[in-house]
Amino acid sequence: QTVVTQEPSFSVSPGGTVTLTCGLSSGSVSTSYYPSWYQQTPGQAPRTLIYSTNTRSSGVPDRFSGSILGNKAALTITGAQADDESDYYCVLYMGSGISVFGGGTKVTVL
Amino acid sequence: QVQLQESGPGLVKPSETLSLTCTVSGGSVSSDTYYWSWIRQPPGKGLEWIGYIYYSGSSGSTNYNPSLKSRVTISVDTSKNQFSLKLSSVTAADTAVFYCARAVSGRRVWYFDLWGRGTLVTVSS
Repeated sequence: QTVVTQEPSFSVSPGGTVTLTCGLSSGSVSTSYYPSWYQQTPGQAPRTLIYSTNTRSSGVPDRFSGSILGNKAALTITGAQADDESDYYCVLYMGSGISVFGGGTKVTVL
Repeated sequence: QVQLQESGPGLVKPSETLSLTCTVSGGSVSSDTYYWSWIRQPPGKGLEWIGYIYYSGSSGSTNYNPSLKSRVTISVDTSKNQFSLKLSSVTAADTAVFYCARAVSGRRVWYFDLWGRGTLVTVSS
């Protein structure tokens, strides 16, 4: 069974930069997995940030960017703000209509 | 603006069937552009894709998470502009917030672009 891996947690200083990654238990992530990223604050539904590796969803600030770094998908927050403190989830499309979520990364801004 | 709203019982007994409905407002569940999906999140844990239904013309096709496939049924009611989830033989491990979501598929595109607010379903006797 395919497992999508994410760092459990990250801490970033206000104004700092943090890069979260999204990998596979076996193999490399490429654009063919159409990586997407979602932000979730406690008690709220997820919010779509990035799709198709690096396309920002409508209304998402440009301090959020997506890319492929090495063999993983990546979400970079540049100039982190206090309200970026959230859980972040990636999703990879496995083909045949199957989506797999990563376990999520909790980002703390302090 | 399209909105999704989940509804259904907040408490289900073990071994019974969990049933939820998602009402689509401001858009049509019959649109052949979108895949109408269910996603769940156990308390304090991550998100898990359950499955989707894609409705085109007069019929729908479904796809389910292999780990849940034997217990899941997703259907659509075009007359009510709703789609539904049934999860059978539930246990306490199925306690979760259930989200309905809309997935977009296209040329080199697949992602969830719209989410409901979620509804908590607790499995307990």
